[in-house]
Amino acid sequence: NAGVTQTPKFQVLKTGQSMTLQCAQDMNHEYMSWYRQDPGMGLRLIHYSVGAGITDQGEVPNGYNVSRSTTEDFPLRLLSAAPSQTSVYFCASRLQGSPLHFGNGTRLTVT
Amino acid sequence: AQSVTQLDSQVPVFEEAPVELRCNYSSSVSVYLFWYVQYPNQGLQLLLKYLSGSTLVKGINGFEAEFNKSQTSFHLRKPSVHISDTAEYFCAVSEITYKLSFGAGTTVTVRA
Repeated sequence: NAGVTQTPKFQVLKTGQSMTLQCAQDMNHEYMSWYRQDPGMGLRLIHYSVGAGITDQGEVPNGYNVSRSTTEDFPLRLLSAAPSQTSVYFCASRLQGSPLHFGNGTRLTVT
Repeated sequence: AQSVTQLDSQVPVFEEAPVELRCNYSSSVSVYLFWYVQYPNQGLQLLLKYLSGSTLVKGINGFEAEFNKSQTSFHLRKPSVHISDTAEYFCAVSEITYKLSFGAGTTVTVRA
């Protein structure tokens, strides 16, 4: 099984550019989520979804959009990139009551 | 709302010495508890989990953790560490929902 697949692994953007971080899982998990990881702050939840067509905001949703048209995919969109969005982004999925399965991360730099 | 506090941001330890990483959580309901490990430049891997039952949980790589409901703690321990245990460790809590909240992380540096 591929598990949770994130693309790209690295990305450099200029301020104001937009882009989409892709996330796909093949485990039929109903729950998917996006976290950002910053030094000394652990992982902070950006957005999450408990099933196709259902999304909700996490702790730090501003500047990000998500959609969940299928069970497998949960893309994260940056509408207008800012230097404050420089971070490592992790997608994760799970079944209720079970551990999160993480992707390998996307390292984003906004200049 | 649930939250997690990891009490130590950095833990230096000598090889073959024991280590304990402290984690406290707050929640008004029953919780699931997890410890994850992140090796340099990698994603997060599950070390162990507490869902219910025995309060002493054993995980991979010789780690174990004890759930203490009265102290709302879930401390991680290993009796003898190796150089390869150098990593960042995250405690996480989930109420009976899907959302998982993480602590800020504890960096363990093992020295020879």
